[in-house]
Amino acid sequence: RKEVEQDPGPFNVPEGATVAFNCTYSNSASQSFFWYRQDCRKEPKLLMSVYSSGNEDGRFTAQLNRASQYISLLIRDSKLSDSATYLCVVRYNDYKLSFGAGTTVTVRA
Amino acid sequence: DGGITQSPKYLFRKEGQNVTLSCEQNLNHDAMYWYRQDPGQGLRLIYYSQIVNDFQKGDIAEGYSVSREKKESFPLTVTSAQKNPTAFYLCASSIDKGRGQFFGPGTRLTVL
Repeated sequence: RKEVEQDPGPFNVPEGATVAFNCTYSNSASQSFFWYRQDCRKEPKLLMSVYSSGNEDGRFTAQLNRASQYISLLIRDSKLSDSATYLCVVRYNDYKLSFGAGTTVTVRA
Repeated sequence: DGGITQSPKYLFRKEGQNVTLSCEQNLNHDAMYWYRQDPGQGLRLIYYSQIVNDFQKGDIAEGYSVSREKKESFPLTVTSAQKNPTAFYLCASSIDKGRGQFFGPGTRLTVL
């Protein structure tokens, strides 16, 4: 079983729509959680950390459910520039991170 | 501007040759990492270093080697023992384990 699993998508949504997706992680001892964004053929960039109480950053909302071991990301009022692959990332051991394979979002005009 | 640089952006090598990928950071981060990314897969950790002159194997270290002689630099050598070296290689650094890692622009290695 993979340590971090994501629905690969793609999620195709019109501009202005809300899109949400989850990832699940296998290690209950996981300590830190992040969402990264990766554009085609580019490096991943940190989008936001995910806190136990849930957190927002502008149009982006992240939630953590430790009991069910999943993390979610919701994007409101989607923009064309939100089109990317979103990577779910979990830290469970020292400095090492585990990366999901990513969820692809395509926002259409 | 502070950041992480990797060079070259694209690299082509013949099978059987060793190749060294450069990674430099001026963020004053202690920890540095090397990952490879293959299509449809998550990033996989090759090696990481928490401090100068110390490094540990990641999940897929076979066929790779690293050094950490300076805080700013963490070069990766892909040796001829690596069976499938063609991939996108990403270097990252972090200030501490509680925060996320920041990535360089990557090197695309193609072995012919």
